[in-house]
Amino acid sequence: DADVTQTPRNRITKTGKRIMLECSQTKGHDRMYWYRQDPGLGLRLIYYSFDVKDINKGEISDGYSVSRQAQAKFSLSLESAIPNQTALYFCATSDLRANTGELFFGEGSRLTVL
Amino acid sequence: QKEVEQNSGPLSVPEGAIASLNCTYSDRGSQSFFWYRQYSGKSPELIMSIYSNGDKEDGRFTAQLNKASQYVSLLIRDSQPSDSATYLCAVVGGGGFKTIFGAGTRLFVKA
Repeated sequence: DADVTQTPRNRITKTGKRIMLECSQTKGHDRMYWYRQDPGLGLRLIYYSFDVKDINKGEISDGYSVSRQAQAKFSLSLESAIPNQTALYFCATSDLRANTGELFFGEGSRLTVL
Repeated sequence: QKEVEQNSGPLSVPEGAIASLNCTYSDRGSQSFFWYRQYSGKSPELIMSIYSNGDKEDGRFTAQLNKASQYVSLLIRDSQPSDSATYLCAVVGGGGFKTIFGAGTRLFVKA
């Protein structure tokens, strides 16, 4: 089983719908991140969290919200999805104690907003 | 100016050749630098990390860092078709809080 698990892996929805992408990890890492990937733009940081009580906006947080329900769970919500939020979304973790900065990624969630 | 810049490619090299991938960054306070490989439709995976000026070698891969020039590179020796992927340069900024990625360079290794 993957150490960083994302659900759903694929989702097609309509404009205006509320969508939640979920991420859970078994690595015991404190830090969790949500990135989106668009062709030609690389990975862009949406939100990050260093512990359950710590939530920070990234480069492109508008239109998104997050919830850190537990150390192992970090969810991304689109309150009212729009077509330009169509993208591949990645959850990632890193280990504060190792302090290497290495990110461990989930398998990705492909979201299509019609 | 983007915080981390890479040539998008594609970079095409013959099998057995050296592939050279380059990256520049804007934050002079950056301390940690990474190269991730991403196959089409898959998640990125770390292949090299470098934290100090100079070269770091791991098998066929060599990462090079020049903080004065704000430049990071990745050399892949004896390139194989299985190296065909997108290579993402990533930098942890001076605050140490978040990783910023370049747009990636697509590499094709021709058999």
